[in-house]
Amino acid sequence: SQKIEQNSEALNIQEGKTATLTCNYTNYSPAYLQWYRQDPGRGPVFLLLIRENEKEKRKERLKVTFDTTLKQSLFHITASQPADSATYLCAPPPADSWGKFQFGAGTQVVVTP
Amino acid sequence: DGGITQSPKYLFRKEGQNVTLSCEQNLNHDAMYWYRQDPGQGLRLIYYSQIVNDFQKGDIAEGYSVSREKKESFPLTVTSAQKNPTAFYLCASSIRGADSPLHFGNGTRLTVT
Repeated sequence: SQKIEQNSEALNIQEGKTATLTCNYTNYSPAYLQWYRQDPGRGPVFLLLIRENEKEKRKERLKVTFDTTLKQSLFHITASQPADSATYLCAPPPADSWGKFQFGAGTQVVVTP
Repeated sequence: DGGITQSPKYLFRKEGQNVTLSCEQNLNHDAMYWYRQDPGQGLRLIYYSQIVNDFQKGDIAEGYSVSREKKESFPLTVTSAQKNPTAFYLCASSIRGADSPLHFGNGTRLTVT
């Protein structure tokens, strides 16, 4: 079955630096990947979608890459700010039954001033 | 404003009681989902529905039941058969398209003692 892996350890980073998060997937080749942000006690919020034919996608200070050879997506937060502190989740499309969306466990990012 | 409303935010129940969590959306989305999140863990899919009067089991459906009698509503019942019901429950909806992002509510935290 499809497997999604994200760094389980929290990423502690100083304000102004770039945070880089990894999403690895196995056992299938997704046509796209979605990235979400989740704040404590809240539901995830959709940030970006990158398709397999797109090497890179940007939205403000966020940048996502998609390497189908490595079966990996990287999520970058440039010029990080304390307000970027949250958990970031990646989500590929369902491998079999449409609607069966699964999420990675997420990586917590902590940006300190 | 369109969105998903989950109520209540916090719910307390005694062991052995069934409890129903509410999820309403006014986004006119066909698809709706229920996820469970335990502390420090990712989202696990309980049930999903692609259309009114139809729903499918997710990865952890045992001990839960749902109904989809109206497009805008997808209530989740946590039955007494659910062995470990204390968790954070998230409802989501989406357009029924291959790459449509999920829109989440802000969750219900259920505590069963």
